[in-house]
Amino acid sequence: DTAVSQTPKYLVTQMGNDKSIKCEQNLGHDTMYWYKQDSKKFLKIMFSYNNKELIINETVPNRFSPKSPDKAHLNLHINSLELGDSAVYFCASSHRSASTDTQYFGPGTRLTVL
Amino acid sequence: AQKVTQAQTEISVVEKEDVTLDCVYETRDTTYYLFWYKQPPSGELVFLIRRNSFDEQNEISGRYSWNFQKSTSSFNFTITASQVVDSAVYFCALRDSGGSNYKLTFGKGTLLTVNP
Repeated sequence: DTAVSQTPKYLVTQMGNDKSIKCEQNLGHDTMYWYKQDSKKFLKIMFSYNNKELIINETVPNRFSPKSPDKAHLNLHINSLELGDSAVYFCASSHRSASTDTQYFGPGTRLTVL
Repeated sequence: AQKVTQAQTEISVVEKEDVTLDCVYETRDTTYYLFWYKQPPSGELVFLIRRNSFDEQNEISGRYSWNFQKSTSSFNFTITASQVVDSAVYFCALRDSGGSNYKLTFGKGTLLTVNP
Protein backbone atom coordinates (compact mmCIF):
# COMPACT_ATOMS: atom_id res chain seq x y z
CA ASP A 1 0.00 0.00 0.00
CA THR A 2 2.93 2.31 -0.74
CA ALA A 3 1.73 5.83 -1.49
CA VAL A 4 4.62 7.23 -3.53
CA SER A 5 7.22 4.77 -4.76
CA GLN A 6 10.46 5.26 -6.62
CA THR A 7 12.77 2.87 -8.39
CA PRO A 8 15.58 2.28 -8.04
CA LYS A 9 16.42 3.22 -4.46
CA TYR A 10 20.13 3.30 -5.23
CA LEU A 11 21.78 4.01 -8.56
CA VAL A 12 25.53 3.91 -9.07
CA THR A 13 26.81 4.69 -12.54
CA GLN A 14 29.71 6.04 -14.52
CA MET A 15 30.05 9.56 -15.80
CA GLY A 16 28.61 9.97 -19.26
CA ASN A 17 25.95 7.29 -18.91
CA ASP A 18 22.22 7.84 -19.33
CA LYS A 19 19.88 6.71 -16.56
CA SER A 20 16.23 6.89 -15.57
CA ILE A 21 14.41 7.04 -12.27
CA LYS A 22 10.77 6.02 -12.08
CA CYS A 23 8.07 7.30 -9.77
CA GLU A 24 4.55 6.09 -9.19
CA GLN A 25 1.84 7.27 -6.84
CA ASN A 26 -1.38 5.53 -5.86
CA LEU A 27 -2.92 8.44 -3.97
CA GLY A 28 -5.09 9.61 -6.84
CA HIS A 29 -3.20 12.90 -7.00
CA ASP A 30 -3.07 14.98 -10.15
CA THR A 31 0.30 16.69 -9.62
CA MET A 32 3.75 15.20 -9.31
CA TYR A 33 7.15 16.72 -8.62
CA TRP A 34 10.85 16.01 -8.72
CA TYR A 35 13.12 17.50 -6.07
CA LYS A 36 16.89 17.25 -5.74
CA GLN A 37 18.57 17.00 -2.34
CA ASP A 38 22.26 17.81 -2.43
CA SER A 39 25.02 16.62 -0.14
CA LYS A 40 24.21 19.40 2.33
CA LYS A 41 20.61 18.21 2.52
CA PHE A 42 19.27 21.22 0.65
CA LEU A 43 16.02 20.41 -1.16
CA LYS A 44 15.16 22.16 -4.39
CA ILE A 45 12.32 21.71 -6.85
CA MET A 46 13.24 20.62 -10.34
CA PHE A 47 10.02 19.87 -12.19
CA SER A 48 6.31 19.53 -11.68
CA TYR A 49 3.57 18.00 -13.80
CA ASN A 50 -0.14 18.53 -13.43
CA ASN A 51 -2.36 16.11 -15.36
CA LYS A 52 0.61 15.24 -17.58
CA GLU A 53 1.34 18.90 -18.31
CA LEU A 54 4.65 20.46 -17.30
CA ILE A 55 3.93 23.38 -14.94
CA ILE A 56 7.24 23.92 -13.17
CA ASN A 57 10.59 23.77 -14.90
CA GLU A 58 13.27 25.28 -12.74
CA THR A 59 16.74 26.11 -13.97
CA VAL A 60 17.87 22.57 -14.56
CA PRO A 61 20.33 21.43 -17.25
CA ASN A 62 18.50 20.13 -20.29
CA ARG A 63 20.24 16.81 -19.73
CA PHE A 64 17.38 16.24 -17.31
CA SER A 65 14.09 15.38 -18.96
CA PRO A 66 10.94 14.49 -17.06
CA LYS A 67 8.22 12.42 -18.65
CA SER A 68 4.73 11.82 -17.37
CA PRO A 69 2.92 9.04 -19.23
CA ASP A 70 -0.13 9.44 -17.01
CA LYS A 71 -1.20 11.18 -13.80
CA ALA A 72 0.14 8.40 -11.62
CA HIS A 73 3.65 8.27 -13.07
CA LEU A 74 6.50 10.75 -13.43
CA ASN A 75 9.86 9.56 -14.64
CA LEU A 76 13.16 11.40 -14.73
CA HIS A 77 15.68 10.69 -17.44
CA ILE A 78 19.20 12.02 -17.16
CA ASN A 79 21.58 12.09 -20.11
CA SER A 80 25.36 12.29 -20.01
CA LEU A 81 25.59 12.04 -16.24
CA GLU A 82 28.12 14.27 -14.50
CA LEU A 83 29.77 14.02 -11.10
CA GLY A 84 27.69 16.96 -9.89
CA ASP A 85 24.48 15.04 -10.54
CA SER A 86 25.22 12.87 -7.51
CA ALA A 87 22.39 13.56 -5.08
CA VAL A 88 19.19 12.12 -3.69
CA TYR A 89 16.23 12.64 -5.98
CA PHE A 90 12.79 12.73 -4.44
CA CYS A 91 9.50 12.34 -6.20
CA ALA A 92 6.40 13.84 -4.60
CA SER A 93 2.72 14.10 -5.38
CA SER A 94 -0.21 16.23 -4.31
CA HIS A 95 -3.73 17.10 -5.21
CA ARG A 96 -3.58 20.51 -6.86
CA SER A 97 -6.09 22.37 -4.79
CA ALA A 98 -5.34 25.26 -2.48
CA SER A 99 -6.94 23.48 0.43
CA THR A 100 -5.44 20.03 -0.03
CA ASP A 101 -2.10 20.48 -1.71
CA THR A 102 0.14 18.74 0.81
CA GLN A 103 2.99 17.06 -1.00
CA TYR A 104 3.80 13.50 -0.08
CA PHE A 105 7.26 12.25 -0.88
CA GLY A 106 8.66 9.00 -2.13
CA PRO A 107 11.58 7.28 -0.37
CA GLY A 108 14.17 8.92 -2.60
CA THR A 109 16.71 7.60 -5.10
CA ARG A 110 20.34 8.02 -4.19
CA LEU A 111 22.28 8.60 -7.39
CA THR A 112 26.06 8.25 -7.29
CA VAL A 113 28.03 9.19 -10.38
CA LEU A 114 31.60 7.87 -10.44
CA ALA B 1 10.67 35.86 -3.85
CA GLN B 2 9.95 33.52 -1.02
CA LYS B 3 12.53 32.39 1.48
CA VAL B 4 12.67 30.10 4.50
CA THR B 5 15.35 30.42 7.14
CA GLN B 6 16.14 27.77 9.71
CA ALA B 7 18.93 29.42 11.63
CA GLN B 8 19.73 26.38 13.76
CA THR B 9 21.87 24.04 11.73
CA GLU B 10 22.25 21.45 14.47
CA ILE B 11 20.72 20.94 17.90
CA SER B 12 21.72 18.30 20.40
CA VAL B 13 19.61 17.50 23.46
CA VAL B 14 19.32 14.80 26.05
CA GLU B 15 16.26 12.60 26.06
CA LYS B 16 13.21 14.08 27.81
CA GLU B 17 14.32 17.64 27.20
CA ASP B 18 12.01 19.98 25.34
CA VAL B 19 13.39 21.44 22.13
CA THR B 20 12.18 24.16 19.78
CA LEU B 21 13.13 24.35 16.13
CA ASP B 22 12.90 27.82 14.64
CA CYS B 23 11.56 28.72 11.22
CA VAL B 24 11.32 32.23 9.79
CA TYR B 25 9.83 32.84 6.38
CA GLU B 26 9.57 35.64 3.84
CA THR B 27 6.85 36.08 1.27
CA ARG B 28 5.01 38.97 -0.34
CA ASP B 29 1.79 37.00 -0.54
CA THR B 30 -1.01 37.42 1.95
CA THR B 31 -2.10 33.84 1.35
CA TYR B 32 0.52 31.17 1.84
CA TYR B 33 1.02 27.75 3.36
CA LEU B 34 3.66 26.50 5.77
CA PHE B 35 4.81 22.94 6.28
CA TRP B 36 7.11 20.89 8.45
CA TYR B 37 8.71 17.67 7.25
CA LYS B 38 10.86 15.17 9.12
CA GLN B 39 13.74 13.29 7.51
CA PRO B 40 14.93 10.48 9.81
CA PRO B 41 18.29 8.76 9.26
CA SER B 42 16.57 6.27 6.94
CA GLY B 43 16.16 9.15 4.49
CA GLU B 44 12.49 9.42 3.66
CA LEU B 45 10.63 12.72 3.99
CA VAL B 46 7.67 12.52 6.33
CA PHE B 47 4.96 15.16 6.33
CA LEU B 48 4.20 16.53 9.81
CA ILE B 49 1.94 19.55 9.48
CA ARG B 50 0.44 22.07 7.09
CA ARG B 51 -0.74 25.52 8.18
CA ASN B 52 -2.58 28.19 6.19
CA SER B 53 -1.63 31.82 6.58
CA PHE B 54 -5.14 32.78 7.63
CA ASP B 55 -5.19 30.27 10.48
CA GLU B 56 -2.93 31.40 13.29
CA GLN B 57 -4.20 28.89 15.78
CA ASN B 58 -1.41 26.93 17.35
CA GLU B 59 -1.56 23.19 17.01
CA ILE B 60 -0.65 20.34 19.27
CA SER B 61 -0.28 16.73 18.24
CA GLY B 62 0.94 14.52 21.04
CA ARG B 63 4.44 15.68 21.96
CA TYR B 64 4.60 17.99 18.94
CA SER B 65 3.34 21.55 18.90
CA TRP B 66 3.59 24.39 16.43
CA ASN B 67 3.55 28.11 17.11
CA PHE B 68 2.58 30.22 14.10
CA GLN B 69 3.05 33.99 14.48
CA LYS B 70 2.41 36.14 11.43
CA SER B 71 3.66 39.24 13.23
CA THR B 72 7.16 37.80 13.34
CA SER B 73 6.83 35.58 10.23
CA SER B 74 7.69 32.54 12.27
CA PHE B 75 6.40 28.99 12.41
CA ASN B 76 8.29 27.27 15.21
CA PHE B 77 8.11 23.61 16.10
CA THR B 78 8.45 22.29 19.64
CA ILE B 79 9.01 18.72 20.69
CA THR B 80 8.16 18.08 24.32
CA ALA B 81 9.94 15.34 26.24
CA SER B 82 12.13 14.46 23.29
CA GLN B 83 12.95 10.84 22.51
CA VAL B 84 15.81 9.21 20.64
CA VAL B 85 13.39 8.41 17.78
CA ASP B 86 12.94 12.15 17.25
CA SER B 87 16.50 12.34 15.95
CA ALA B 88 16.19 13.54 12.37
CA VAL B 89 16.59 16.50 10.07
CA TYR B 90 13.54 18.73 10.24
CA PHE B 91 12.58 20.94 7.32
CA CYS B 92 10.29 23.93 7.29
CA ALA B 93 8.79 24.77 3.90
CA LEU B 94 6.68 27.50 2.34
CA ARG B 95 4.30 27.55 -0.58
CA ASP B 96 2.83 30.86 -1.62
CA SER B 97 -0.24 31.37 -3.71
CA GLY B 98 1.78 32.25 -6.82
CA GLY B 99 -0.52 31.35 -9.68
CA SER B 100 -0.05 27.81 -10.92
CA ASN B 101 3.21 27.43 -9.11
CA TYR B 102 2.76 24.94 -6.32
CA LYS B 103 6.41 24.43 -5.55
CA LEU B 104 7.68 24.21 -1.99
CA THR B 105 10.57 26.37 -0.89
CA PHE B 106 12.47 24.58 1.83
CA GLY B 107 14.69 25.85 4.59
CA LYS B 108 18.11 24.25 4.92
CA GLY B 109 16.93 21.99 7.70
CA THR B 110 17.84 21.51 11.36
CA LEU B 111 19.57 18.34 12.41
CA LEU B 112 18.19 17.30 15.77
CA THR B 113 20.11 14.72 17.76
CA VAL B 114 18.46 13.32 20.86
CA ASN B 115 20.92 11.51 23.07
CA PRO B 116 19.88 8.82 25.53
